[in-house]
Amino acid sequence: EAQVTQNPRYLITVTGKKLTVTCSQNMNHEYMSWYRQDPGLGLRQIYYSMNVEVTDKGDVPEGYKVSRKEKRNFPLILESPSPNQTSLYFCASSTDRGGQPQHFGDGTRLSIL
Amino acid sequence: GQQLNQSPQSMFIQEGEDVSMNCTSSSIFNTWLWYKQDPGEGPVLLIALYKAGELTSNGRLTAQFGITRKDSFLNISASIPSDVGIYFCAGPLKSWLGSQGNLIFGKGTKLSVKP
Repeated sequence: EAQVTQNPRYLITVTGKKLTVTCSQNMNHEYMSWYRQDPGLGLRQIYYSMNVEVTDKGDVPEGYKVSRKEKRNFPLILESPSPNQTSLYFCASSTDRGGQPQHFGDGTRLSIL
Repeated sequence: GQQLNQSPQSMFIQEGEDVSMNCTSSSIFNTWLWYKQDPGEGPVLLIALYKAGELTSNGRLTAQFGITRKDSFLNISASIPSDVGIYFCAGPLKSWLGSQGNLIFGKGTKLSVKP
């Protein structure tokens, strides 16, 4: 079954404690992306990757890092999380390098206290 | 930054009614995408539009790529309770490098359907 899998699904943590949200896709997609979703603001892109070792900033990259060492995985790293990063995060992937995510994960809800 | 303005923000309609929503931008887009998000889930692509003036249907859903390339419309005919959710428009921004990987979304239209 074609899937984008995010882990964890839920996390409550404290300010400053480094965390990683993993994202894995089994569709051999070249394009992967991370979004955050906040009430009233819709989905905003954090980072995207058009291929292995190729990443670029989206609209709200501050406070986040990503890496794309292999095609299937695209982890999102928060080196020093802060409360304003409390949000619902989605990973997505697509066959199309033009950035048309057709497969979204089920989301990761992060709460930073 | 660039924005997609989506309206209305919310709609509360009776089952069986038709629904219209739209998305506008000050910038030209080469692709328009419409997604639906059910509660607790990730967005699901409904319709993708690639050409100005294009009209595409997916069941009871019809979307149009505006001829100015700065707007798009989504219509739902004969709404049913399972149409409830948040509908988003989205489009890829073309950077100076030619990349279209930077995708922006509208803030969504929340649809409620009364049986």
